[in-house]
Amino acid sequence: QLVLTQSPSASASLGASVKLTCTLSSGHSSYAIAWHQQQPEKGPRYLMKLKSDGSHSKGDGIPDRFSGSSSGAERYLTISSLQSEDEADYYCQTWGTGIRVFGGGTKLTVL
Amino acid sequence: EVQLVESGGDLVQPGGSLRLSCAASGFTFSSYEMNWVRQAPGKGLEWVSYISSSGRSIYYADSVKGRFTISRDNAKNSLYLQMNSLRAEDTAVYYCARLLDGDYDDDYWGQGTLVTVSS
Repeated sequence: QLVLTQSPSASASLGASVKLTCTLSSGHSSYAIAWHQQQPEKGPRYLMKLKSDGSHSKGDGIPDRFSGSSSGAERYLTISSLQSEDEADYYCQTWGTGIRVFGGGTKLTVL
Repeated sequence: EVQLVESGGDLVQPGGSLRLSCAASGFTFSSYEMNWVRQAPGKGLEWVSYISSSGRSIYYADSVKGRFTISRDNAKNSLYLQMNSLRAEDTAVYYCARLLDGDYDDDYWGQGTLVTVSS
């Protein structure tokens, strides 16, 4: 079964960097994923698509502070030079034939 | 500029029906697969349904199968979700979303419409 696992919460200081992790279930380590951001009281926003080789394509207008990387079944979202507006929920998402699967989300707190 | 604008959310009694609409603009709607995704209060994102660009391929989450029907009208650049036999657990913000199965273009989300199922 295709499942994405994320830590429920993360925190980092203003101006620092943070690396969020999304883990693909066994047998699905080659899958690409997407990262989406949801700021408080807003709809989700697409950040990037991330492949198993670490290559990624960001959405229109996404700052260079956001980057992606991969290792095995793990997919990472790194946010550098953290700003207050980066405090949000971050969801990873993948796909099979016709279906879409979301991770449980990581709530990022900027200290 | 790509825009997805949902409408149709409302307060409905358990067992009732509702039809959501999503008006798309800024891209060639007929060329893209589309989805409905929902978010219950204080919870994460849950995929609900998928429809291919032509409308010939349709998929549903188990939680809504047999009760919800996704459809599209490419001539009107519109996506729909017919929701029947609504339950309290269907209470959520429903998002229209262009979630692609590849990186050939960007994903996009609407702003959402609230469906409340309560007596």
